[in-house]
Amino acid sequence: EIVLTQSPATLSLSPGERATLSCRASQSVSTYLAWYQQKAGQVPRLLISDASNRATGIPGRFSGSGSGTDFTLTITSLEPEDFAVYYCQQRSNWPRTFGQGTKVEIK
Amino acid sequence: EVQLLQSGGGLVQSGGSLRLSCAASGFTFDRYAMTWVRQAPGKGLEWVSTITADGDDTYYADSGKGRFTISRDNSKNTLYLQMNSLTADDTAVYFCARHDYGGWYDYWGQGTLITVSS
Repeated sequence: EIVLTQSPATLSLSPGERATLSCRASQSVSTYLAWYQQKAGQVPRLLISDASNRATGIPGRFSGSGSGTDFTLTITSLEPEDFAVYYCQQRSNWPRTFGQGTKVEIK
Repeated sequence: EVQLLQSGGGLVQSGGSLRLSCAASGFTFDRYAMTWVRQAPGKGLEWVSTITADGDDTYYADSGKGRFTISRDNSKNTLYLQMNSLTADDTAVYFCARHDYGGWYDYWGQGTLITVSS
């Protein structure tokens, strides 16, 4: 099973600041990695697919990068609605796995 | 508009069974693979099971292997998850999700809470 380790667990930032979230895979997943956003009490939303492709309707301040085992989700300037939990997920191997999540909270 | 409407959740005793349903609308259901994901209270997301568009292939997390069965009825545009021998560890909100053509989960159901009591 591929383990995805996200860091940090919690990121405390102010609106307007830059957020950098990391996801590290226990073995290479090529670019078969996605990022999801989940706000409190809501359903997850697909942000980034195939490591760097923004999903439909996702604002340009969200970007993804990386390949192999190291991936990054960057939010260039945090908006109030961006404070949420972010999960990475791989579809390189079965079973599909998610990271444990990074919570982006208001400082 | 793509919609995934879930039903079938609730309270069940340990060792019991439950079937979840996910009724799809707004897209051609039989062209898309589907997945179940769960989230225990206060915890992260956990992949549960996937079924291909034609229903011929299914995949399971170890946590549900031998106890859970994913299926679909393409004539009814509905996805199912039959869960047997439930334990407290299965307590979670269960989401159904549609795969986009890249295999990612682009639309999600509203979630349904399963509580397994001992």
